[in-house]
Amino acid sequence: QKEVEQNSGPLSVPEGAIASLNCTYSDRGSQSFFWYRQYSGKSPELIMSIYSNGDKEDGRFTAQLNKASQYVSLLIRDSQPSDSATYLCAVADDNRKLIWGLGTSLAVNP
Amino acid sequence: DTEVTQTPKHLVMGMTNKKSLKCEQHMGHRAMYWYKQKAKKPPELMFVYSYEKLSINESVPSRFSPECPNSSLLNLHLHALQPEDSALYLCASSQEPGLAAQETQYFGPGTRLLVL
Repeated sequence: QKEVEQNSGPLSVPEGAIASLNCTYSDRGSQSFFWYRQYSGKSPELIMSIYSNGDKEDGRFTAQLNKASQYVSLLIRDSQPSDSATYLCAVADDNRKLIWGLGTSLAVNP
Repeated sequence: DTEVTQTPKHLVMGMTNKKSLKCEQHMGHRAMYWYKQKAKKPPELMFVYSYEKLSINESVPSRFSPECPNSSLLNLHLHALQPEDSALYLCASSQEPGLAAQETQYFGPGTRLLVL
């Protein structure tokens, strides 16, 4: 059974702090990793995709991938109240289907 | 532009009704997906179309019937649904199925379905 695990939270951080979201996956052969943000009642919005070990930065967001440890994380710098949402980690399996974590709820407090 | 559109935004239907959900993308993507999402759960894959052919059916009940009329359009026909089918129905598309760097899925806004 291929699994993706995330802490459900809620993760609470003050405005301006760094939020760190973590995800582990079971399928060692996975090649593609995604972070989606989902506001309540809305659809998932792609934040980052990452395919290679190391860091990938896009604005305030940094994704980190460590395939040896089967670990992918998302850092949000200078967190804003508008970042308050559920963050979903998704990993593509070898049939290119997305295996989803249950999501981490993030609350950024003004 | 990474826009996927879905209509209607909201739908209320009785258990004997027949209705359809529509999804459209003009990004030239060759894979399109239907997902179902319940509250506080991740999206659950229902169907995948690859090059306009059904490639994955996740053992979805026959009261859900997908259709891909062309490379830009995806429909989901609904008939004799049950109250437990009430959910957010999401359409997504990706550029090229099977190629790791081109399989990023972009989601539409969803259709909120309530079955009475």
